[in-house]
Amino acid sequence: GNSVTQMEGPVTLSEEAFLTINCTYTATGYPSLFWYVQYPGEGLQLLLKATKADDKGSNKGFEATYRKETTSFHLEKGSVQVSDSAVYFCALSGDNQGGKLIFGQGTELSVKP
Amino acid sequence: SAVISQKPSRDICQRGTSLTIQCQVDSQVTMMFWYRQQPGQSLTLIATANQGSEATYESGFVIDKFPISRPNLTFSTLTVSNLSPEDSSIYLCSLTRGETQYFGPGTRLLVL
Repeated sequence: GNSVTQMEGPVTLSEEAFLTINCTYTATGYPSLFWYVQYPGEGLQLLLKATKADDKGSNKGFEATYRKETTSFHLEKGSVQVSDSAVYFCALSGDNQGGKLIFGQGTELSVKP
Repeated sequence: SAVISQKPSRDICQRGTSLTIQCQVDSQVTMMFWYRQQPGQSLTLIATANQGSEATYESGFVIDKFPISRPNLTFSTLTVSNLSPEDSSIYLCSLTRGETQYFGPGTRLLVL
């Protein structure tokens, strides 16, 4: 079946450091891929998405490229801020699944000033 | 985007009781979803709720434990029955609009 694997956390970085959170997936067909973010005490928010191979999703300085050849959707940001501290979830929505999502285990990011 | 509200936002319940969570969305939608997020863990889909038909449950979730109602296209309820401490989680409803799934703020349940 479909699955998503993320790098384990927690990840601790200093402000302005470069961020990469790895995400790989297993799926048949052509899934859509998403990154969601959960700030402390808040609900889940869509950060970015990509719906086909080689698409790049971007938002708030974060980027992720849908790489079908490596079945990956790694999240990157060039310069993190303290306000980026949150839990990040990679997710996929498979073909003909009606939009339901399969989530990775989440990666906690802590950015120190 | 989508506006999704949930009630209650949090609750503390005694074991053996039940809690019903309400989810209201801002416009009509065919499918709604219910997820569970156990402490420190990721989200797991409980069931898909279609208006006018029975909910479709994922492996490991059964209707007797998690009955769902979907009386119209903007509202759904999830009941967590016969509560045990293992049911302490955040429960979230969601909907799909376009190719994106939007989530409610969640209901944080603690079972004592």
